[in-house]
Amino acid sequence: QTVVTQEPSFSVSPGGTVTLTCGLTSGSVSTSYYTSWYQQTPGQAPRTLIYSTNIRSSGVPDRFSGSILGNKAALTITGAKAEDESDYYCGVFMGGGSWVFGGGTKLTVL
Amino acid sequence: EVQLAESGGGSVESGGSLRLSCAASGLTFSSYWMHWVRQGPGKGLVWVSGINTNGRSTDYADSVKGRFTISRDNAKNTFYLQMNSLRAEDTAVYYCVSEMGKGAYWGQGALVTVSS
Repeated sequence: QTVVTQEPSFSVSPGGTVTLTCGLTSGSVSTSYYTSWYQQTPGQAPRTLIYSTNIRSSGVPDRFSGSILGNKAALTITGAKAEDESDYYCGVFMGGGSWVFGGGTKLTVL
Repeated sequence: EVQLAESGGGSVESGGSLRLSCAASGLTFSSYWMHWVRQGPGKGLVWVSGINTNGRSTDYADSVKGRFTISRDNAKNTFYLQMNSLRAEDTAVYYCVSEMGKGAYWGQGALVTVSS
């Protein structure tokens, strides 16, 4: 069974740039997987940042961008702010109606 | 403004049943796949089930297959998750989510607690 992988944690300085990745234990992530990225702060519902690999959801600041880097999907935050400190999850389309999430990355901004 | 509102959560003993509902507004409900996603205490997100626009195609995570049933009523802009044979490991916040591949909207979540 394919598992979706993410870095468990990452740290970035305010104003800095960070790239989080989303991979598969077997195979490469491509645009065919329609990767989405979600942001979740403690006690809150997730919020969709990016869908279909690189399309920003309405109202999402342009410092968030999605792409494919090598064999993984990637979420890049350019000019990180303190308010970006959150958990970030990627979701990957597996066909039919099924999706799989990665384990999430806890991002610290300090 | 799109709003998704879950209801029907609560506490139940192991082996029991619950039915979650999700009422949608602000979107053309009948045009969207809809999904349930859950999050156990201190854990990550887990996709549970999805249903297509007319309700004739459904999919489930292996962990709930045969126990949970997803359905929808487009006339009521509402979809459901019938959960039977509940286990302690089903304890989680259950979120209803619209069209995961196209800028999904999320509900605020419904807490389901299963005691053993």
